[in-house]
Amino acid sequence: RKEVEQDPGPFNVPEGATVAFNCTYSNSASQSFFWYRQDCRKEPKLLMSVYSSGNEDGRFTAQLNRASQYISLLIRDSKLSDSATYLCVVSPGSARQLTFGSGTQLTVLP
Amino acid sequence: GAVVSQHPSWVICKSGTSVKIECRSLDFQATTMFWYRQFPKQSLMLMATSNEGSKATYEQGVEKDKFLINHASLTLSTLTVTSAHPEDSSFYICSATTGGAVETQYFGPGTRLLVL
Repeated sequence: RKEVEQDPGPFNVPEGATVAFNCTYSNSASQSFFWYRQDCRKEPKLLMSVYSSGNEDGRFTAQLNRASQYISLLIRDSKLSDSATYLCVVSPGSARQLTFGSGTQLTVLP
Repeated sequence: GAVVSQHPSWVICKSGTSVKIECRSLDFQATTMFWYRQFPKQSLMLMATSNEGSKATYEQGVEKDKFLINHASLTLSTLTVTSAHPEDSSFYICSATTGGAVETQYFGPGTRLLVL
């Protein structure tokens, strides 16, 4: 079983749609959680950290369920520029030893 | 935000040659740098953790004699792929931490290696 599992997609959605990605992790000792986005042939960039209480950053909402070892990312009012691969990332503590999921590919269509 | 650079961005080489990739933190001192590898449609896999002035810590399955890491200063780490073979062709990405109570990893733009 992979340490971090994501639905690879692809998700093809129209502009303005709401889309949700899910991620599960196997290491119950994980302490830090992140969503990164990676554009084609580029490095991953931090989208947002995920906190136990859930957090929102503009159109993006992240939630964490420690009991189920499950993380989600919700994107509202999708833009063309949101097209990318979204990586679920967990860490046992602080930002060391990041473990990446294989990513979920999103394409927002005009 | 903190900037990490990598050089070169692209490398094409013949099988058997060695390739050196540089990773630099441009506007901060990085006590720790990480090297990752990503094959097409797969996740980033941590290869090794590089601490300034000490030997790198390699992940299981990564040959330390093949992937030589040198972290000689607080702003530079190098990865040398020795005697590269076609199966080493991949996207190599480094990251550096800024330190402090909350350590954010900042990623370099990556180096694409193609071994013919």
